[in-house]
Amino acid sequence: AQKITQTQPGMFVQEKEAVTLDCTYDTSDPSYGLFWYKQPSSGEMIFLIYQGSYDQQNATEGRYSLNFQKARKSANLVISASQLGDSAMYFCAMRGDRGSTLGRLYFGRGTQLTVWP
Amino acid sequence: ETGVTQTPRHLVMGMTNKKSLKCEQHLGHNAMYWYKQSAKKPLELMFVYSLEERVENNSVPSRFSPECPNSSHLFLHLHTLQPEDSALYLCASSQEQGKSVNTEAFFGQGTRLTVV
Repeated sequence: AQKITQTQPGMFVQEKEAVTLDCTYDTSDPSYGLFWYKQPSSGEMIFLIYQGSYDQQNATEGRYSLNFQKARKSANLVISASQLGDSAMYFCAMRGDRGSTLGRLYFGRGTQLTVWP
Repeated sequence: ETGVTQTPRHLVMGMTNKKSLKCEQHLGHNAMYWYKQSAKKPLELMFVYSLEERVENNSVPSRFSPECPNSSHLFLHLHTLQPEDSALYLCASSQEQGKSVNTEAFFGQGTRLTVV
């Protein structure tokens, strides 16, 4: 089974600063994918970034980058130059290639990010 | 149109009522999902449909009944719910290709359900 742990219930960051949201995972699958989603107060889960377990380089998407440390089983999200609109709940999720239901994502409990001016 | 649309956005229902949640995806995906998001809990997968066939029923009580009439539409029929069923219900879709793990799911905005 897959397990995702997000240990930061809440994080605060000043506008224009960088922030790191932590995520650790546990799986026995040889191949897996790691995802980060953003959930504003409106409720929709917005896909941000993906990292494959066999990817050699850390994923980047605009202001988002994923600090992937496979040996430590961590996949932290780094948001650079924070904006007020980044205030939201952030979820780390994963899926594996064995045994899991088709397409099933396993989610952490999330981190509430607040960006202040 | 947005990729995944859910209606209604908000729903208040009594424990004896029958209601349905609707989800529609405009992305041409071959898999659709219902997730439940309760306060202070991780998202819980409820049902998975692949090519209109249910492939997962994640120990969900029978008062929740899914229906997938075609690859673009997914319903969740609700009857005799309990107050603890109050939650945000999220629909998602994805394009699955074998055992590939790099496929992201696209979510709708959810239906916020309150059972009174």
